[in-house]
Amino acid sequence: DVKVTQSSRYLVKRTGEKVFLECVQDMDHENMFWYRQDPGLGLRLIYFSYDVKMKEKGDIPEGYSVSREKKERFSLILESASTNQTSMYLCASRVQGDQPQHFGDGTRLSIL
Amino acid sequence: AQSVTQPDIHITVSEGASLELRCNYSYGATPYLFWYVQSPGQGLQLLLKYFSGDTLVQGIKGFEAEFKRSQSSFNLRKPSVHWSDAAEYFCAVGADGNKLVFGAGTILRVKS
Repeated sequence: DVKVTQSSRYLVKRTGEKVFLECVQDMDHENMFWYRQDPGLGLRLIYFSYDVKMKEKGDIPEGYSVSREKKERFSLILESASTNQTSMYLCASRVQGDQPQHFGDGTRLSIL
Repeated sequence: AQSVTQPDIHITVSEGASLELRCNYSYGATPYLFWYVQSPGQGLQLLLKYFSGDTLVQGIKGFEAEFKRSQSSFNLRKPSVHWSDAAEYFCAVGADGNKLVFGAGTILRVKS
């Protein structure tokens, strides 16, 4: 089975901090994704990566950046955390193309 | 732009009763369609997918969905609901660049 692991289930940070969310997948998938999930809004795509060192903006990239130095790891960075970035963050990966995405268990991030 | 509408925010059904969750999409080409389920505190699990061919697709946990092009719908069904089916359900469409666009989700409550 595909395993997508997010480093933290719960995280509390302060406004202005630089925050790193880590995601690792063990199936050699080319594509990786970061979403945020908010009640009533479903999942919204922040950034995605088709391959190592490649990244593309999703629908809501403002205030975020990403890093993919190795194929199995995709990091989401909040450059200067703000309270409106309090949310559930979900990482996903897939082989490529139109294959289904496989999700991690999420990181619930609170910015105080 | 692609969009997905799940008209029902909450649905409550009795255990053993049948279930239908509605999903309507907007997409110019032949869509790739997915249903995911999210249990509390967990990531998203793929229930089923439609790429092409037979418009009635079978998934895991006894779920099925029917693609109706004329109605731009991809409704999820289950003939007899179990208490363990209580969760949030998301419909998604494969969009430009193979991204996924998600609906806002439907929360299913099962009463005994």
